[in-house]
Amino acid sequence: DADVTQTPRNRITKTGKRIMLECSQTKGHDRMYWYRQDPGLGLRLIYYSFDVKDINKGEISDGYSVSRQAQAKFSLSLESAIPNQTALYFCATSYGVRTEAFFGQGTRLTVV
Amino acid sequence: AQSVSQHNHHVILSEAASLELGCNYSYGGTVNLFWYVQYPGQHLQLLLKYFSGDPLVKGIKGFEAEFIKSKFSFNLRKPSVQWSDTAEYFCAVKSPYTGTASKLTFGTGTRLQVTL
Repeated sequence: DADVTQTPRNRITKTGKRIMLECSQTKGHDRMYWYRQDPGLGLRLIYYSFDVKDINKGEISDGYSVSRQAQAKFSLSLESAIPNQTALYFCATSYGVRTEAFFGQGTRLTVV
Repeated sequence: AQSVSQHNHHVILSEAASLELGCNYSYGGTVNLFWYVQYPGQHLQLLLKYFSGDPLVKGIKGFEAEFIKSKFSFNLRKPSVQWSDTAEYFCAVKSPYTGTASKLTFGTGTRLQVTL
C-alpha cells in the first residue's frame, strides 16, 4: 500500500554498524508497528506504538529501538547490527482497535 | 497473551483443487481475526476479516473463512484454487478492545503452491 512507505527498500550493512529503518504513513492512523519476517517463523512483532507517547515492546525487541517522531513517522533502529538480524522488515499501521493493519512494502536488510 | 497456530506449513495443490488452511488461536476474550496473503516479493495484503456477526466471512478472490468460537478456529477456504493463488498465507488475531492485546499477532504462515 503506497500510503505506508518504508525506506530504504534494501540495505546491506556490516556487523556492528548502527542502522535506521524509516516508516511514514499518509493514512492518518494512530497505531504503527514494526515486524520482522523470517522464513518459517512468520511475522514477529518488534515494537508497536498506539500513539506518539505510547510505545511498547513486542516479542523480539532485544537489539532494537524505536522512535515515534510524529503520528506519521515510526523509525526502527538497530544499535549494533548482527548477522541474525538479517530479515525482511515490515512497518504496518492501523486506526484504533477495530481496523485491520496496512503494510508497507518492506525493507530487506542484510547484515554481513 | 494471544497466539496463533497454523498447522500447515507448506501445501501443494493442483489447479482447481479445493483449499482449506487451518488456523487456531489462543486467547480467552473476544477476538478480531484476519487472513493476509503475501504474493512472492510483495507485502502483506488483507484477504478477509472477522469482527462480529456472521461467522462465515467472504473475502476477495473467492476466499472465505469460518469462525468457530468453540474450536478457537478461523480456517480459510477456497473451492477451486488457481495458479495465481500461489503465495504465503498468514492468519492473525487481536483483541478489539484497548490495551496491549489489541496488537496484531500473526501465525507462522502457510506457503501454498498451486501447480498447473
